[in-house]
Amino acid sequence: AQTVTQSQPEMSVQEAETVTLSCTYDTSESDYYLFWYKQPPSRQMILVIRQEAYKQQNATENRFSVNFQKAAKSFSLKISDSQLGDAAMYFCAYRRYSGGGADGLTFGKGTHLIIQP
Amino acid sequence: NAGVTQTPKFRVLKTGQSMTLLCAQDMNHEYMYWYRQDPGMGLRLIHYSVGEGTTAKGEVPDGYNVSRLKKQNFLLGLESAAPSQTSVYFCASNPQLRGSRNEQFFGPGTRLTVL
Repeated sequence: AQTVTQSQPEMSVQEAETVTLSCTYDTSESDYYLFWYKQPPSRQMILVIRQEAYKQQNATENRFSVNFQKAAKSFSLKISDSQLGDAAMYFCAYRRYSGGGADGLTFGKGTHLIIQP
Repeated sequence: NAGVTQTPKFRVLKTGQSMTLLCAQDMNHEYMYWYRQDPGMGLRLIHYSVGEGTTAKGEVPDGYNVSRLKKQNFLLGLESAAPSQTSVYFCASNPQLRGSRNEQFFGPGTRLTVL
């Protein structure tokens, strides 16, 4: 079974600075998808960024980028120019590619990101 | 589009009572999921469906049943609620499992308390 580990229960960063959230995963699959989801206090799950394992290029979405290290099974999220609205729980998630991957996402336990004004 | 909606938003049950959570999506998605979120645990998959009339067990299926009689609806049932089922329940749907539309869309969640 796949596992996703987020080793930082909580992170704090000054507004406008850069922060990196860590995620490691364990899988025997060679093809899979990785995701970062944001959950603000409203509880809504919001997709931040997505990475396909077969792509070597790291995904970017505006101020959000990932550092995907397939051999190390590491998938960190970098948030540049942090804003107050970035404060939330961040979840790393995995989905396999083989067998259609219909059997849902495997989530880490989350990192609570605090933005200091 | 309303996206993924969940009914009800909050519910309090007594131990042994039954209830059904309704998830509806208006995006014509094939794949639907039920997750539960407990403090410090992240989201865990309860059951999922790959199409109308199909269901399958996820990581934590015990104590729950599901049905997908219509493509747009995915129901989660608790036949005899237990305090261990106190949680926030999320429904999600996927248009595709591969390609550019490979993304799960989540509902707003249902907070269930079992006394």
